[in-house]
Amino acid sequence: SQTIHQWPATLVQPVGSPLSLECTVEGTSNPNLYWYRQAAGRGLQLLFYSVGIGQISSEVPQNLSASRPQDRQFILSSKKLLLSDSGFYLCAWSGDRYSNQPQHFGDGTRLSIL
Amino acid sequence: QKEVEQNSGPLSVPEGAIASLNCTYSDRGSQSFFWYRQYSGKSPELIMSIYSNGDKEDGRFTAQLNKASQYVSLLIRDSQPSDSATYLCAVTTRTYSSASKIIFGSGTRLSIRP
Repeated sequence: SQTIHQWPATLVQPVGSPLSLECTVEGTSNPNLYWYRQAAGRGLQLLFYSVGIGQISSEVPQNLSASRPQDRQFILSSKKLLLSDSGFYLCAWSGDRYSNQPQHFGDGTRLSIL
Repeated sequence: QKEVEQNSGPLSVPEGAIASLNCTYSDRGSQSFFWYRQYSGKSPELIMSIYSNGDKEDGRFTAQLNKASQYVSLLIRDSQPSDSATYLCAVTTRTYSSASKIIFGSGTRLSIRP
Protein backbone atom coordinates (compact mmCIF):
# COMPACT_ATOMS: atom_id res chain seq x y z
CA SER A 1 0.00 0.00 0.00
CA GLN A 2 1.02 3.58 -0.54
CA THR A 3 2.28 5.77 2.28
CA ILE A 4 3.39 9.36 2.46
CA HIS A 5 5.92 10.67 4.96
CA GLN A 6 6.38 14.29 5.84
CA TRP A 7 8.79 15.84 8.31
CA PRO A 8 9.33 17.52 10.63
CA ALA A 9 5.92 17.54 12.34
CA THR A 10 6.57 20.87 14.05
CA LEU A 11 9.06 23.61 13.30
CA VAL A 12 9.77 26.97 14.90
CA GLN A 13 11.99 29.28 12.86
CA PRO A 14 13.09 32.91 13.18
CA VAL A 15 12.24 35.45 10.50
CA GLY A 16 14.86 35.49 7.77
CA SER A 17 16.03 31.92 8.33
CA PRO A 18 16.00 29.26 5.58
CA LEU A 19 13.49 26.44 5.33
CA SER A 20 13.51 22.91 4.00
CA LEU A 21 10.54 20.57 4.34
CA GLU A 22 10.71 17.11 2.86
CA CYS A 23 8.07 14.69 1.70
CA THR A 24 8.48 11.15 0.38
CA VAL A 25 5.98 8.68 -1.01
CA GLU A 26 6.29 4.89 -0.91
CA GLY A 27 4.44 2.16 -2.74
CA THR A 28 3.76 3.98 -6.01
CA SER A 29 5.69 5.31 -8.98
CA ASN A 30 5.37 8.53 -10.99
CA PRO A 31 2.89 10.14 -8.59
CA ASN A 32 1.63 13.70 -8.88
CA LEU A 33 2.96 15.56 -5.84
CA TYR A 34 1.57 18.68 -4.20
CA TRP A 35 2.46 21.22 -1.52
CA TYR A 36 -0.36 23.07 0.25
CA ARG A 37 -0.43 25.65 3.02
CA GLN A 38 -3.31 26.10 5.41
CA ALA A 39 -3.50 29.20 7.59
CA ALA A 40 -5.28 28.86 10.92
CA GLY A 41 -9.03 28.45 10.38
CA ARG A 42 -8.68 28.75 6.62
CA GLY A 43 -8.87 26.54 3.54
CA LEU A 44 -6.11 24.80 1.62
CA GLN A 45 -3.91 26.95 -0.60
CA LEU A 46 -2.10 25.05 -3.35
CA LEU A 47 1.51 26.22 -3.51
CA PHE A 48 3.22 23.86 -5.99
CA TYR A 49 2.51 20.69 -7.89
CA SER A 50 4.74 18.34 -9.83
CA VAL A 51 3.93 15.72 -12.46
CA GLY A 52 7.48 14.36 -12.70
CA ILE A 53 11.14 14.71 -11.73
CA GLY A 54 12.28 18.30 -12.17
CA GLN A 55 8.81 19.46 -13.27
CA ILE A 56 7.41 22.07 -10.89
CA SER A 57 4.39 24.31 -11.36
CA SER A 58 3.95 27.27 -9.05
CA GLU A 59 0.47 28.44 -8.14
CA VAL A 60 1.15 31.47 -5.99
CA PRO A 61 4.01 33.98 -6.28
CA GLN A 62 5.96 33.99 -3.02
CA ASN A 63 9.36 33.48 -1.47
CA LEU A 64 8.95 29.70 -1.44
CA SER A 65 10.28 27.22 -3.98
CA ALA A 66 9.87 23.51 -4.58
CA SER A 67 12.03 20.80 -6.08
CA ARG A 68 11.58 17.18 -7.04
CA PRO A 69 15.03 15.58 -7.22
CA GLN A 70 13.67 12.03 -7.27
CA ASP A 71 10.44 10.43 -8.44
CA ARG A 72 8.96 10.11 -4.96
CA GLN A 73 10.63 13.01 -3.17
CA PHE A 74 9.25 16.54 -2.98
CA ILE A 75 11.00 19.38 -1.14
CA LEU A 76 9.68 22.79 -0.14
CA SER A 77 12.29 25.47 0.49
CA SER A 78 12.79 29.10 1.31
CA LYS A 79 15.95 31.17 1.51
CA LYS A 80 14.45 33.73 3.94
CA LEU A 81 11.25 33.10 5.86
CA LEU A 82 8.66 35.82 6.42
CA LEU A 83 6.16 36.08 9.29
CA SER A 84 3.42 35.42 6.74
CA ASP A 85 4.92 32.00 5.99
CA SER A 86 3.54 30.61 9.25
CA GLY A 87 0.97 27.88 8.75
CA PHE A 88 0.26 24.21 8.36
CA TYR A 89 2.14 22.76 5.38
CA LEU A 90 0.75 19.66 3.76
CA CYS A 91 2.27 17.39 1.16
CA ALA A 92 -0.06 15.22 -0.93
CA TRP A 93 0.18 12.68 -3.72
CA SER A 94 -2.21 11.36 -6.34
CA GLY A 95 -2.17 8.90 -9.22
CA ASP A 96 -0.47 9.41 -12.56
CA ARG A 97 -0.65 12.60 -14.54
CA TYR A 98 -4.05 12.14 -16.19
CA SER A 99 -5.73 10.37 -13.34
CA ASN A 100 -8.92 11.56 -11.71
CA GLN A 101 -7.95 9.86 -8.49
CA PRO A 102 -8.05 11.69 -5.14
CA GLN A 103 -5.13 13.19 -3.33
CA HIS A 104 -3.78 11.65 -0.16
CA PHE A 105 -2.15 13.82 2.46
CA GLY A 106 0.81 13.47 4.77
CA ASP A 107 0.50 14.36 8.43
CA GLY A 108 1.68 17.92 7.82
CA THR A 109 4.27 20.29 9.27
CA ARG A 110 3.16 23.06 11.58
CA LEU A 111 5.51 25.99 10.96
CA SER A 112 5.71 28.94 13.32
CA ILE A 113 7.77 31.97 12.44
CA LEU A 114 9.02 34.13 15.32
CA GLN B 1 -11.37 31.18 -11.74
CA LYS B 2 -12.68 27.69 -11.12
CA GLU B 3 -14.31 27.54 -7.71
CA VAL B 4 -15.76 25.19 -5.16
CA GLU B 5 -18.20 26.76 -2.71
CA GLN B 6 -19.25 25.49 0.70
CA ASN B 7 -21.12 27.01 3.60
CA SER B 8 -18.49 27.58 6.28
CA GLY B 9 -20.86 26.76 9.13
CA PRO B 10 -20.67 25.87 11.91
CA LEU B 11 -23.42 23.36 11.29
CA SER B 12 -24.77 22.01 14.57
CA VAL B 13 -26.60 18.67 14.47
CA PRO B 14 -27.93 16.61 17.39
CA GLU B 15 -26.39 13.20 17.99
CA GLY B 16 -28.19 10.48 16.06
CA ALA B 17 -29.61 12.88 13.44
CA ILE B 18 -28.66 13.23 9.77
CA ALA B 19 -26.03 15.83 8.90
CA SER B 20 -26.28 17.28 5.39
CA LEU B 21 -23.30 19.04 3.86
CA ASN B 22 -23.52 20.83 0.52
CA CYS B 23 -21.09 21.97 -2.15
CA THR B 24 -21.36 23.67 -5.55
CA TYR B 25 -18.67 23.90 -8.20
CA SER B 26 -18.16 26.08 -11.27
CA ASP B 27 -16.20 23.87 -13.74
CA ARG B 28 -18.69 21.91 -15.88
CA GLY B 29 -15.82 19.72 -17.08
CA SER B 30 -15.11 18.33 -13.62
CA GLN B 31 -15.23 14.54 -13.52
CA SER B 32 -14.26 13.51 -10.00
CA PHE B 33 -15.62 14.64 -6.67
CA PHE B 34 -14.34 13.96 -3.18
CA TRP B 35 -15.19 14.59 0.43
CA TYR B 36 -12.44 14.91 3.01
CA ARG B 37 -12.75 15.08 6.78
CA GLN B 38 -10.28 17.21 8.73
CA TYR B 39 -10.08 17.09 12.49
CA SER B 40 -8.66 20.14 14.23
CA GLY B 41 -4.88 20.19 13.92
CA LYS B 42 -4.78 17.17 11.62
CA SER B 43 -4.43 16.65 7.88
CA PRO B 44 -7.42 15.99 5.60
CA GLU B 45 -8.56 12.38 5.28
CA LEU B 46 -10.45 11.09 2.25
CA ILE B 47 -13.85 9.67 3.21
CA MET B 48 -15.82 9.51 -0.07
CA SER B 49 -15.22 9.60 -3.82
CA ILE B 50 -17.98 9.90 -6.43
CA TYR B 51 -17.62 9.98 -10.19
CA SER B 52 -21.13 9.64 -11.67
CA ASN B 53 -24.55 11.17 -11.07
CA GLY B 54 -26.62 9.72 -8.27
CA ASP B 55 -25.94 8.40 -4.79
CA LYS B 56 -23.01 6.44 -3.43
CA GLU B 57 -23.26 4.90 0.01
CA ASP B 58 -20.45 3.78 2.33
CA GLY B 59 -21.51 2.89 5.83
CA ARG B 60 -23.12 5.93 7.45
CA PHE B 61 -21.95 8.19 4.63
CA THR B 62 -23.81 8.92 1.38
CA ALA B 63 -22.40 11.15 -1.34
CA GLN B 64 -24.80 12.63 -3.88
CA LEU B 65 -23.79 14.11 -7.23
CA ASN B 66 -25.86 16.16 -9.69
CA LYS B 67 -23.65 17.31 -12.57
CA ALA B 68 -26.46 19.22 -14.28
CA SER B 69 -26.87 21.39 -11.20
CA GLN B 70 -23.12 21.29 -10.41
CA TYR B 71 -23.94 20.17 -6.90
CA VAL B 72 -22.38 17.62 -4.55
CA SER B 73 -23.59 16.71 -1.09
CA LEU B 74 -22.59 14.48 1.78
CA LEU B 75 -25.09 12.94 4.17
CA ILE B 76 -23.98 11.49 7.50
CA ARG B 77 -26.59 9.26 9.11
CA ASP B 78 -26.76 8.54 12.85
CA SER B 79 -24.32 11.38 13.55
CA GLN B 80 -21.79 10.71 16.30
CA PRO B 81 -19.66 13.13 18.34
CA SER B 82 -16.63 11.71 16.50
CA ASP B 83 -18.08 13.16 13.28
CA SER B 84 -17.40 16.67 14.59
CA ALA B 85 -14.81 18.02 12.15
CA THR B 86 -14.41 20.24 9.11
CA TYR B 87 -15.56 18.63 5.87
CA LEU B 88 -13.84 19.65 2.65
CA CYS B 89 -15.44 19.26 -0.75
CA ALA B 90 -12.94 18.73 -3.58
CA VAL B 91 -13.39 18.67 -7.36
CA THR B 92 -10.92 17.77 -10.10
CA THR B 93 -10.18 20.17 -12.89
CA ARG B 94 -7.75 20.18 -15.78
CA THR B 95 -4.75 22.48 -15.88
CA TYR B 96 -3.30 23.97 -19.05
CA SER B 97 -0.67 21.22 -19.01
CA SER B 98 -3.49 18.64 -18.90
CA ALA B 99 -2.42 17.43 -15.48
CA SER B 100 -5.32 16.77 -13.19
CA LYS B 101 -5.62 19.16 -10.28
CA ILE B 102 -8.04 19.26 -7.37
CA ILE B 103 -9.79 22.41 -6.22
CA PHE B 104 -10.79 22.37 -2.55
CA GLY B 105 -13.65 24.23 -0.96
CA SER B 106 -12.93 26.14 2.21
CA GLY B 107 -14.79 23.54 4.29
CA THR B 108 -17.88 23.28 6.47
CA ARG B 109 -17.38 22.94 10.20
CA LEU B 110 -19.72 20.30 11.62
CA SER B 111 -20.48 20.03 15.32
CA ILE B 112 -22.46 17.09 16.72
CA ARG B 113 -24.14 18.01 20.00
CA PRO B 114 -24.98 15.30 22.58
